[in-house]
Amino acid sequence: QVQLQESGPGLVKPSQTLSLTCTVSGGSISSGSYYWSWIRQPAGKGLEWIGRIYTSGSTNYNPSLKSRVTISVDTSKNQFSLKLNSVTAADTAVYYCAGSYINWFDPWGQGTLVTVSS
Amino acid sequence: QSALTQPASVSGSPGQSITISCTGTSSDVGGYNYVSWYQQHPGKAPKLMIYDVSKRPSGVSNRFSGSKSGNTASLTISGLQAEDEADYYCCSYAGSSTWVFGGGTKLTVL
Repeated sequence: QVQLQESGPGLVKPSQTLSLTCTVSGGSISSGSYYWSWIRQPAGKGLEWIGRIYTSGSTNYNPSLKSRVTISVDTSKNQFSLKLNSVTAADTAVYYCAGSYINWFDPWGQGTLVTVSS
Repeated sequence: QSALTQPASVSGSPGQSITISCTGTSSDVGGYNYVSWYQQHPGKAPKLMIYDVSKRPSGVSNRFSGSKSGNTASLTISGLQAEDEADYYCCSYAGSSTWVFGGGTKLTVL
């Protein structure tokens, strides 16, 4: 059974770049028809889809974040990554990675809290 | 691309049925049969409960069902149980390989 685990700094300074990695275990990131997504959730608020990547490197991004987001994949490490630049306090959230099969998201990682603060 | 509209909260007593609505537009909910629903307990990751409007993943109780009419999708939970108390989020395909979530609904089991 595929499992996902997010990792990365829990604190990022304003104007800097947020970088997170999601490690996929229990299966190959390249197998099947999975896309790999990032989703975030500010404290006490709803979910926001950030973007996704296929193992070919093809990406899709939320239009509201597109100018600041880069998602990449490293098939040799069974990982995919998120970079969000020019962060502000509004980017403080729990960040989840998830497998996306066609039009739904499953499985999910446990989530990692990233705080933007000086 | 605006968030889908869900009621902030709903409640019901054990054994009762409740329905959570999710309203979008013809560009998302109304335009595609690609609505999914997620259950999230406090401090936990969301869990897929319904996909493609009304399909249940393996392992999800048949007390959970989904439907759609026009620009509004609905999640119905029958035979409410204490463990159903959680936040519920809808999600819809929004075209151009993008997805949009609802603001979430807090379900309280009285």
